[in-house]
Amino acid sequence: GAVVSQHPSWVICKSGTSVKIECRSLDFQATTMFWYRQFPKQSLMLMATSNEGSKATYEQGVEKDKFLINHASLTLSTLTVTSAHPEDSSFYICSAIRDQSYEQYFGPGTRLTVT
Amino acid sequence: GDSVTQMEGPVTLSEEAFLTINCTYTATGYPSLFWYVQYPGEGLQLLLKATKADDKGSNKGFEATYRKETTSFHLEKGSVQVSDSAVYFCALSFGGTSYGKLTFGQGTILTVHP
Repeated sequence: GAVVSQHPSWVICKSGTSVKIECRSLDFQATTMFWYRQFPKQSLMLMATSNEGSKATYEQGVEKDKFLINHASLTLSTLTVTSAHPEDSSFYICSAIRDQSYEQYFGPGTRLTVT
Repeated sequence: GDSVTQMEGPVTLSEEAFLTINCTYTATGYPSLFWYVQYPGEGLQLLLKATKADDKGSNKGFEATYRKETTSFHLEKGSVQVSDSAVYFCALSFGGTSYGKLTFGQGTILTVHP
């Protein structure tokens, strides 16, 4: 089956620093990827839509200058959390839409802890 | 805005018990409805879906029927196994320019004991 990976799976960073999270579709091309955020015991909240070759589309209330998204190729999207604060600590999950079938596949998630 | 509400968890059952996880939604229009499952350490996987009213999605012994009149999509399984222990998410999505954008419920943790 189609696989989406995320790297790293777990990261700790200090307040004020930036951290980059990668989302890769390993065996298919994905023009469109999504980034979600999940708080403990809460549902996943869509943050943004990442489109290869164009700017990301952010959901209402998501700071685009804080959560930088780059979809540099058909298999890679990155989310950079800039000037991280403890309230950015969360579980970040990406998904990718397979170009050929329009099926959606999810990555395993990245746990970010900001100290 | 659109929203999905799932029954509070966690749910703990014995093997071979009957499972129901309730899911209701609020949406403008007629969305597609989904159940996703997340096993420990893995990404969400599509379990089943239904795209229009009265459709029944089914997979691996799980079933859910799209009920427009009650805006519900309850997940059922007649006999659960220990391997069904996971977190289950109900979700909705629209097509067109919103294709792939999912609105999730809060998730229900299911634990099945031998």
